[in-house]
Amino acid sequence: DVKVTQSSRYLVKRTGEKVFLECVQDMDHENMFWYRQDPGLGLRLIYFSYDVKMKEKGDIPEGYSVSREKKERFSLILESASTNQTSMYLCASKGLGYEQYFGPGTRLTVT
Amino acid sequence: GENVEQHPSTLSVQEGDSAVIKCTYSDSASNYFPWYKQELGKRPQLIIDIRSNVGEKKDQRIAVTLNKTAKHFSLHITETQPEDSAVYFCAARSGGGADGLTFGKGTHLIIQP
Repeated sequence: DVKVTQSSRYLVKRTGEKVFLECVQDMDHENMFWYRQDPGLGLRLIYFSYDVKMKEKGDIPEGYSVSREKKERFSLILESASTNQTSMYLCASKGLGYEQYFGPGTRLTVT
Repeated sequence: GENVEQHPSTLSVQEGDSAVIKCTYSDSASNYFPWYKQELGKRPQLIIDIRSNVGEKKDQRIAVTLNKTAKHFSLHITETQPEDSAVYFCAARSGGGADGLTFGKGTHLIIQP
């Protein structure tokens, strides 16, 4: 059974802080993804990675960066958090098939 | 890039009736179309998917149809039950090397008792 975990369920940060969101998967999946989910906007792809140290921009990468130093771990970084980055952040992983498996999400509030 | 439109945004049906949610996509090279169900406070979970070489797929009360020519696909739920109440998202995977999904904005399905 695929397990995708995220470091925090809820996070409150101040404007200008550097924020790290961590995601870990235990299925040796090659591909990992970060999405943000906002009411009425669905899920939007921020960044994805298809291998260690490889990354690709998604549809809304501005204000974010990512790091993948190990295969099982994919981190999303907000260099200087802003209030418009208040959102639900979902990590997902994918193996050789097409299905993406989601983590439980991190609800980030930036004040 | 890919653009996915989903309708309706809210759908209320009587328990036992059928529900249909429709999506259109823009990239004719898209080749994979999943549907995710997200219950309140939970992660999205795949309920059914279809690939571009298939026109219809069914799994018990759930079915998905794909019309490649018109670039639209639909989710059909028959004999709806209270546990079907959730937000449903359609998505499309563009052809080419990228594996990210483009999601619709979601449909809140409400099953009325």
